[in-house]
Amino acid sequence: NAGVTQTPKFQVLKTGQSMTLQCAQDMNHNSMYWYRQDPGMGLRLIYYSASEGTTDKGEVPNGYNVSRLNKREFSLRLESAAPSQTSVYFCASSQSNEQFFGPGTRLTVL
Amino acid sequence: GENVEQHPSTLSVQEGDSAVIKCTYSDSASNYFPWYKQELGKGPQLIIDIRSNVGEKKDQRIAVTLNKTAKHFSLHITETQPEDSAVYFCAAESNDYKLSFGAGTTVTVRA
Repeated sequence: NAGVTQTPKFQVLKTGQSMTLQCAQDMNHNSMYWYRQDPGMGLRLIYYSASEGTTDKGEVPNGYNVSRLNKREFSLRLESAAPSQTSVYFCASSQSNEQFFGPGTRLTVL
Repeated sequence: GENVEQHPSTLSVQEGDSAVIKCTYSDSASNYFPWYKQELGKGPQLIIDIRSNVGEKKDQRIAVTLNKTAKHFSLHITETQPEDSAVYFCAAESNDYKLSFGAGTTVTVRA
């Protein structure tokens, strides 16, 4: 089992560009999450999906959109990137309480 | 919503000594409290968790205590080793399996 995989690992964007971060899990989990991690701020929830076909906003959703493509995949889209979105992005999945995290995507917006 | 505060932000200990990290939470309805360890360049990984019906839980060199009345919980690492060097996050689950994380503690174990 690969667990939770994320692509790409690194990305540099210019202000105003768009991109999609991909996440997939092979553990048959119902719930999936997108977090951002900034120095001194821990992990903050952007969006989550409690089950296939549903998505809900987390603590910091502005500037992002998500798609739960199927049970395995949950993507995060930045329509018009801003320097404030420079961060490390983590995807996670869970079946009950324990969340399993991917390796992260380091995004820099210039 | 839930607010989780974590202290200290950095902790340096001599190998073999103990390390203690403390967290407080605000939502009295929270009933699940995990601790995650994050090594450099990797995603967080669950190391231990505790539920509100339990006051203490141990797993080899790590233990977690919970005081629901005071709304605080702590991570204890005994006999620290160099491989314990990492960033540790506490979290509290408010509802629907959503976690609120503390800001993290960078632990350095000196050889």
